Amino acid sequence: GAGVSQSPSNKVTEKGKDVELRCDPISGHTALYWYRQSLGQGLEFLIYFQGNSAPDKSGLPSDRFSAERTGGSVSTLTIQRTQQEDSAVYLCASSLGQAIPGGQFFGPGTRLTVL
Amino acid sequence: TQLLEQSPQFLSIQEGENLTVYCNSSSVFSSLQWYRQEPGEGPVLLVTVVTGGEVKKLKRLTFQFGDARKDSSLHITAAQPGDTGLYLCAGAWTGANNLFFGTGTRLTVIP
Repeated sequence: GAGVSQSPSNKVTEKGKDVELRCDPISGHTALYWYRQSLGQGLEFLIYFQGNSAPDKSGLPSDRFSAERTGGSVSTLTIQRTQQEDSAVYLCASSLGQAIPGGQFFGPGTRLTVL
Repeated sequence: TQLLEQSPQFLSIQEGENLTVYCNSSSVFSSLQWYRQEPGEGPVLLVTVVTGGEVKKLKRLTFQFGDARKDSSLHITAAQPGDTGLYLCAGAWTGANNLFFGTGTRLTVIP
C-alpha cells in the first residue's frame, strides 16, 4: 500500500523482555517520527529522523528506548527491559520534509501491552 | 505539563447539533494543525493554519487560529455520526523538528 505501515499491530510481552517495533514510511518521505499514545490521549513525541541528519532523541523517556532508521527508510523502535508503564500505542509518522504545512502521515500504530 | 490543552475532554451530542472544541496554550506557535483519529488508526490531518486570525472552512468544519497564535478552535455544524473520533490539535514552531500535540477531545455523535 501507499501509506505508513507498522508491525506488529499488537504485541504482548512480559516485564523485563525487550521488544522491537517496526515502521515502513511512505516512499520518498525524508522525515520519520515516533510517538507514544496512552489510553486514547494526546501524542507524546519520542524521536525524529530527517534524512541523513542526526536524529532528535529529545523525547525518549529513558535510555531503555532507542531507535534507528536504516537506509533512510525503515525504522525500528527498541524498548529494552520493558516495564508496565511502557504499555501504550506506539505510532509512527512520516512527512515530506517539515510537518508544516503538509502534515504528518501516520501508521495504524502498534499496541504494546507489558504484563 | 501539557503545552496544548484541549476542552472539553469528552463530548457526546445528538446528530444535527453544533459543537466547538478549543485548543489553548500559553505559548505562541508559528502554525497549528488539527487531526482526527478513529479507533485503531493513526491521526489524519484535517487542516493547517499559519496566520493569526486565520479562518478555514472544510465543509461543515470551521477552524480558527487566534490572533495571538496561542489558541485555536474547531466548530462543527450539524454534526454527523461520521464525525465521531478523537480530535487533536498540534502546534509547531518554525524550524522545530516535531509537533506538540494537545490532550485531545473525544467526540461521540449519537444517531
